[in-house]
Amino acid sequence: DTAVSQTPKYLVTQMGNDKSIKCEQNLGHDTMYWYKQDSKKFLKIMFSYNNKELIINETVPNRFSPKSPDKAHLNLHINSLELGDSAVYFCASSPGLAGNNEQFFGPGTRLTVL
Amino acid sequence: GQNIDQPTEMTATEGAIVQINCTYQTSGFNGLFWYQQHAGEAPTFLSYNVLDGLEEKGRFSSFLSRSKGYSYLLLKELQMKDSASYLCAVRDVGDYKLSFGAGTTVTVRA
Repeated sequence: DTAVSQTPKYLVTQMGNDKSIKCEQNLGHDTMYWYKQDSKKFLKIMFSYNNKELIINETVPNRFSPKSPDKAHLNLHINSLELGDSAVYFCASSPGLAGNNEQFFGPGTRLTVL
Repeated sequence: GQNIDQPTEMTATEGAIVQINCTYQTSGFNGLFWYQQHAGEAPTFLSYNVLDGLEEKGRFSSFLSRSKGYSYLLLKELQMKDSASYLCAVRDVGDYKLSFGAGTTVTVRA
C-alpha cells in the first residue's frame, strides 16, 4: 500500500496550459504539504493544510492554487504554466504540525514546461 | 525564516565515517530534521532533534546544539547505498514551516 501517492508521475506540457497534480495519503494524517524542488535540488514549501485548513501559503504566484477536498487529499492546480514552473513537485503528509511529526513524501511529479 | 547552510558535496570510502554539518539561523526554533534523498526519489526521514545532544539510530546519529545553531549528521560504517543527498531542515515555531537546506551530496566510493 502506498502511503502518499501522486498523479501523474511525469507531466510534459506547453507554456500557457493549465494542469493539475493530485495527491492522496492513506496514513490518516491531519496535515498535508506541497513542495517544489528545482533543478538545484532546493526543496521549498509552497502550501500546507491542516485539517483541510490552509495554514502555510508561501510567496508563490497566484497561478498556483491548492485544494483540499478532505483530509486525505491535497491537489495542486497550476494556471498559465511558465517555463520556470518546470520542477519536481512533492506532496507530503504528517500526523500533525508540531513535535517529532516527520513528514512522509510522495514519489514526486516531474513537471516539464516546453 | 531560516538561513540553513550545509556543505554541497562530500566523498568518503566504504566502511568509513562521514559527518555532515548544518548551521542555521532562525527567529524561533522548533526542531531540526535530517532527510535522505536518493537521486530521482522522494526524501525519507532520518532523524529529529529538538533538545541539545546526540540522537543515535543504528549507523546514523544526529547532534544538536541550539545555542550554536548547529547540527551534524554522522554516518558510520558507510555503505554504497548511503550515496545520496542529505537534507537538513529546520522548523519554525510560528507557523511550523519546515525550511530545507540545499542538501549535501555524499558519494561513497569502494
